[in-house]
Amino acid sequence: SQQGEEDPQALSIQEGENATMNCSYKTSINNLQWYRQNSGRGLVHLILIRSNEREKHSGRLRVTLDTSKKSSSLLITASRAADTASYFCATDAGGSYIPTFGRGTSLIVHP
Amino acid sequence: DAGVIQSPRHEVTEMGQEVTLRCKPISGHNSLFWYRQTMMRGLELLIYFNNNVPIDDSGMPEDRFSAKMPNASFSTLKIQPSEPRDSAVYFCASSIQTGTEAFFGQGTRLTVV
Repeated sequence: SQQGEEDPQALSIQEGENATMNCSYKTSINNLQWYRQNSGRGLVHLILIRSNEREKHSGRLRVTLDTSKKSSSLLITASRAADTASYFCATDAGGSYIPTFGRGTSLIVHP
Repeated sequence: DAGVIQSPRHEVTEMGQEVTLRCKPISGHNSLFWYRQTMMRGLELLIYFNNNVPIDDSGMPEDRFSAKMPNASFSTLKIQPSEPRDSAVYFCASSIQTGTEAFFGQGTRLTVV
């Protein structure tokens, strides 16, 4: 069963705009990770944020974590057509540390 | 390192046949995961190994599925007998240890007709 659920399911924007995707989860977590999947390819890790962290940056990516609301957001600034992909959050809860994935947000960036 | 290597990339088989999917994790990684991805169910964890030992196989759908990791550099996922509902993309992933980033292979697209 999915622990994290992404929102929206699909997002369509123009190149240069910012894209924001959200992830909500049900139980307390150790870590939350964001991954990208291009069509027909494997998942690629983007960022890992630990439960005691609130914000992390990597290039044009910004991830926030609000454990009180059990939610995270991924912001892609100045989007490019190459950012077109599906984005997944993965949470690991309890003592397992096994990443459990949501269904993903499909992002389309129009050139 | 070449990353996580899966073979074959594509497999088409007839219902009732045995299917074996293979995975070579990244050298030095102690955790290995098998996931299955479908449109209906998303990305599901099937089984997880730590130091070659199966830790959690609660995601394995039924007895037709089995997985082994005979050594640190090789794992297999076997389906016997295969059924059309097994059609999916199967991913293998490895990580240095649990709680760290997972590196995924390119996946095996299985079609059972």
